[in-house]
Amino acid sequence: ELKVEQNPLFLSMQEGKNYTIYCNYSTTSDRLYWYRQDPGKSLESLFVLLSNGAVKQEGRLMASLDTKARLSTLHITAAVHDLSATYFCAVASGTYKYIFGTGTRLKVLA
Amino acid sequence: GAGVSQSPSNKVTEKGKDVELRCDPISGHTALYWYRQSLGQGLEFLIYFQGNSAPDKSGLPSDRFSAERTGGSVSTLTIQRTQQEDSAVYLCASSLESWGNTEAFFGQGTRLTVV
Repeated sequence: ELKVEQNPLFLSMQEGKNYTIYCNYSTTSDRLYWYRQDPGKSLESLFVLLSNGAVKQEGRLMASLDTKARLSTLHITAAVHDLSATYFCAVASGTYKYIFGTGTRLKVLA
Repeated sequence: GAGVSQSPSNKVTEKGKDVELRCDPISGHTALYWYRQSLGQGLEFLIYFQGNSAPDKSGLPSDRFSAERTGGSVSTLTIQRTQQEDSAVYLCASSLESWGNTEAFFGQGTRLTVV
């Protein structure tokens, strides 16, 4: 059974700093999503990573996937307050289902 | 519709009552998913529909939970004899085909509180 772990669970960082969120998973998979969730809101898709070595960037966020290490990272560059949210990775399990990590609650302090 | 619509947005019910949660997927989306998000937790898979059939019900936590989908569109998640541990946000998502091929879009969720 696929298990997905994220760390850290909570992250408080100063504006302008860099940090990385990690997503480890237990069995082979080649598709992974990163989502953002604001309080009281639904999930917003940030990135989909479809192959080993895939790297996607949007603004201050960059996601990568290493299927051999079963690891994805979400790197934050020069954080700003607007990035405060909870970030989830979701790993494909079979052809139609995704298993979610527990989420990383990010708070960026001005 | 423009997006996945869920109703009600909030539901408070007494322990032991039955509740129905509704999901209107994006028009034309054949795949529909229900997930549950407990406070401070990640999303827990409940059930997957392809059209009106549910090939995977493996995430339903007990026989008090059931779901149906009619006309390949609207889905209803029913929880019978609610318990306090059922309190959570129930999220619905839909995708054009199975999520393996196309992106899934989430609704705003129904926050269920069992008192």
